[in-house]
Amino acid sequence: ETGVTQTPRHLVMGMTNKKSLKCEQHLGHNAMYWYKQSAKKPLELMFVYNFKEQTENNSVPSRFSPECPNSSHLFLHLHTLQPEDSALYLCASSQGGDNTGELFFGEGSRLTVL
Amino acid sequence: GQNIDQPTEMTATEGAIVQINCTYQTSGFNGLFWYQQHAGEAPTFLSYNVLDGLEEKGRFSSFLSRSKGYSYLLLKELQMKDSASYLCAGLDSNYQLIWGAGTKLIIKP
Repeated sequence: ETGVTQTPRHLVMGMTNKKSLKCEQHLGHNAMYWYKQSAKKPLELMFVYNFKEQTENNSVPSRFSPECPNSSHLFLHLHTLQPEDSALYLCASSQGGDNTGELFFGEGSRLTVL
Repeated sequence: GQNIDQPTEMTATEGAIVQINCTYQTSGFNGLFWYQQHAGEAPTFLSYNVLDGLEEKGRFSSFLSRSKGYSYLLLKELQMKDSASYLCAGLDSNYQLIWGAGTKLIIKP
């Protein structure tokens, strides 16, 4: 199994749809992250979970709802999204949640909102 | 405000050397990271510098000057597979990562 796996790799949805992104890490890490990556823009941190507890929510709109049932799995539930939410959503994990260590990223879920 | 600046795009020739610069303005400083991201792939860790100086890892080296708020990534003996985006990220006093927008490196034969 690869380190961090994200599904689906590509998703197209309408503004009224509800969908979910899934992330799984096989590295035994304690922290998991959701990032948004838009073309030619810096990575935007969305949510951080440390030992399954949400430790950061970077003023993300409520149409994005994270869920972390255990230290290995992370979900991002999507509903009533806007076209400007189209982006690559990257999941990452790390040993600790303080950013002093290396982040291990998944390949991302490419989201298109019509 | 906090900011990371790096060039948007650079072009270099196979076999040559290229230096990708990154300047940072952060509230406090706890180190600087470089990541590589090939198109359609996950970013992968390249280096972490917290002390001044040059750290070498094979063909890649990373340099940090804390007094100048400056870092660079040096790639030697460039190969076509080095075509990728290179992301610079600074760690501030609250251990928050401040990311640059990335430098797209194009390698030509």
